[in-house]
Amino acid sequence: QVQLQQSGPGLVKPSQTLSLTCAISGDSVSSNSAAWNWLRQSPSRGLEWLGRTYYRSKWYIGYAVSVKSRITINPDTSKNQFSLQLNSVTPEDTAVYFCARGNGGMIDSWGQGTLVTVSS
Amino acid sequence: QSVLTQPPSASGTPGQRVTISCSGSSSNIGSDYVHWYQQLPGTAPKLLIYRNNQRPSGVPDRFSGSKSGTSASLAISGLRSEDEADYYCAAWDDSLSGWVFGGGTKLTVL
Repeated sequence: QVQLQQSGPGLVKPSQTLSLTCAISGDSVSSNSAAWNWLRQSPSRGLEWLGRTYYRSKWYIGYAVSVKSRITINPDTSKNQFSLQLNSVTPEDTAVYFCARGNGGMIDSWGQGTLVTVSS
Repeated sequence: QSVLTQPPSASGTPGQRVTISCSGSSSNIGSDYVHWYQQLPGTAPKLLIYRNNQRPSGVPDRFSGSKSGTSASLAISGLRSEDEADYYCAAWDDSLSGWVFGGGTKLTVL
């Protein structure tokens, strides 16, 4: 049973960088069958996929067009976790952020969610 | 504006059957599986139906899914008060190379 535990600050100032980490237990970030995703949810934007990373003999990373210029997702094999960085945030980036596992062509497990507020 | 289109709300009385629709396009529902999630207030979405009509273990058979062309539906029979939640459809979009979601349907059990 995979479990995803998110950590990171709940308040970020405008123009700064949002950073979150998702620790994995019960699976491996280097799994050849899983993909590791970041998503967010807000009343104005609904559920929005941000990007993912996965390993298939080498690392692959993909980002949503809406955030492609500002986002970085990195796997950390030493700690079995993956991270999200979103640069130059504005109040529009205020949302509940989720990490999630993609497996067998579906997203099947989610982290607990982190409310991130962008405000000075 | 979500890529997949769902009605914002649905309702029914206990014991009734309710359906929630999800409309997409040839680049998402039309070419890949549809998955459904249930989200209770303050919690993460939970996988309810995968690959159009498959239920994860532990999901009651009152929940069923179907897909035809670029549309899909979630049906809930024998409605119960604990089914009151938000429901989301999702699919992989080949044009966007990413996951897309519906705007969610808030189900009220009257």
